[in-house]
Amino acid sequence: AQSVTQPDIHITVSEGASLELRCNYSYGATPYLFWYVQSPGQGLQLLLKYFSGDTLVQGIKGFEAEFKRSQSSFNLRKPSVHWSDAAEYFCAVGPNAGNNRKLIWGLGTSLAVNP
Amino acid sequence: ETGVTQSPTHLIKTRGQQVTLRCSSQSGHNTVSWYQQALGQGPQFIFQYYREEENGRGNFPPRFSGLQFPNYSSELNVNALELDDSALYLCASSLVGGDGYTFGSGTRLTVV
Repeated sequence: AQSVTQPDIHITVSEGASLELRCNYSYGATPYLFWYVQSPGQGLQLLLKYFSGDTLVQGIKGFEAEFKRSQSSFNLRKPSVHWSDAAEYFCAVGPNAGNNRKLIWGLGTSLAVNP
Repeated sequence: ETGVTQSPTHLIKTRGQQVTLRCSSQSGHNTVSWYQQALGQGPQFIFQYYREEENGRGNFPPRFSGLQFPNYSSELNVNALELDDSALYLCASSLVGGDGYTFGSGTRLTVV
């Protein structure tokens, strides 16, 4: 079955600390991988995506993620968190071929940032 | 390049009523997908439309239906609303063979 697991429901970090949000997936083939961020009451903003090539991808707002095929993981990292990073983070996977454009989502990780 | 626009932004309906949500796709995109996001949950795939036909559907009953128009805009219709239909409804446009999805800001539907 296709699924995305975000093991951490809620994470609290201090401003300036490093951050890692975990994402594991189960999919029939190597999918496209995404991280989105959602502020309260808002839509989804794409942070970064992986399709192929270099397994370390850079995104907006200083985020990066590393694709590890052997671990079926796509963890999101940021070296120094800012208070404005407090939000809900979603990992998603989608097909890398065909006209099926369905994304499968994790349940999200809520990030709180202490001043 | 325009993004994805959804309307209305908020909506309150009574149980049993019908609702239509609208989405204008990003220019150049030919596929539209709809997602339901309940409070505290990740988005759930409802269905997608390509070339004005539904070509993929999630685990949603037939009272959830949609349309895609020649200009690639789309509607999501929900009949016989239930309280559990209260959610944020997100529209995403994409291009078959492309590598991105653009999401709208969503429509917040409350069923009372």
